[in-house]
Amino acid sequence: RKEVEQDPGPFNVPEGATVAFNCTYSNSASQSFFWYRQDCRKEPKLLMSVYSSGNEDGRFTAQLNRASQYISLLIRDSKLSDSATYLCVVGNAGNNRKLIWGLGTSLAVNP
Amino acid sequence: EPEVTQTPSHQVTQMGQEVILRCVPISNHLYFYWYRQILGQKVEFLVSFYNNEISEKSEIFDDQFSVERPDGSNFTLKIRSTKLEDSAMYFCASIGVASYEQYFGPGTRLTVT
Repeated sequence: RKEVEQDPGPFNVPEGATVAFNCTYSNSASQSFFWYRQDCRKEPKLLMSVYSSGNEDGRFTAQLNRASQYISLLIRDSKLSDSATYLCVVGNAGNNRKLIWGLGTSLAVNP
Repeated sequence: EPEVTQTPSHQVTQMGQEVILRCVPISNHLYFYWYRQILGQKVEFLVSFYNNEISEKSEIFDDQFSVERPDGSNFTLKIRSTKLEDSAMYFCASIGVASYEQYFGPGTRLTVT
């Protein structure tokens, strides 16, 4: 099983749609969870951290299920500017704070 | 807002040449990383650096690679003898003391010909 697994997509959705991305991770000792966004040929940018209680930032909602080792990202009312690759990232225990990266899920929001 | 910077933005070099990629992490951060991303592929961890030493390195980070933090602000990645397969985007990242949130620089595109 891959350390962090995501459906690579691509997801093609119309503007205004709601889209959900899922991610699973293999290490039950993982301690921190993130969604990053990456535009083509740009650096990954932190979209949001994911907390056990779930968290929301505007149109974006992230959830974590530790028992199932599953993370999700929900984007509501999608905009053209949401088109990007969304990367699920997991931080394992340890002093080096190493992050394990998923392959990413590609999203295209169409007019 | 503080940010990670990297230079150069694009480096073209011939196979077998040495390159040094430079990064200036966010000033109060303590953990530093290099990643690479081959076009169309996933972000790959190369090395992490903390307390003036390598804390972890991947299989990719062989004897051809080295890192340094020479002066308390710069963080460099050196590739001694570049190969064609070293062509990729190289990202530097850093983390502060009380966080796992990594902040990335804009990357250096390395092209080995």
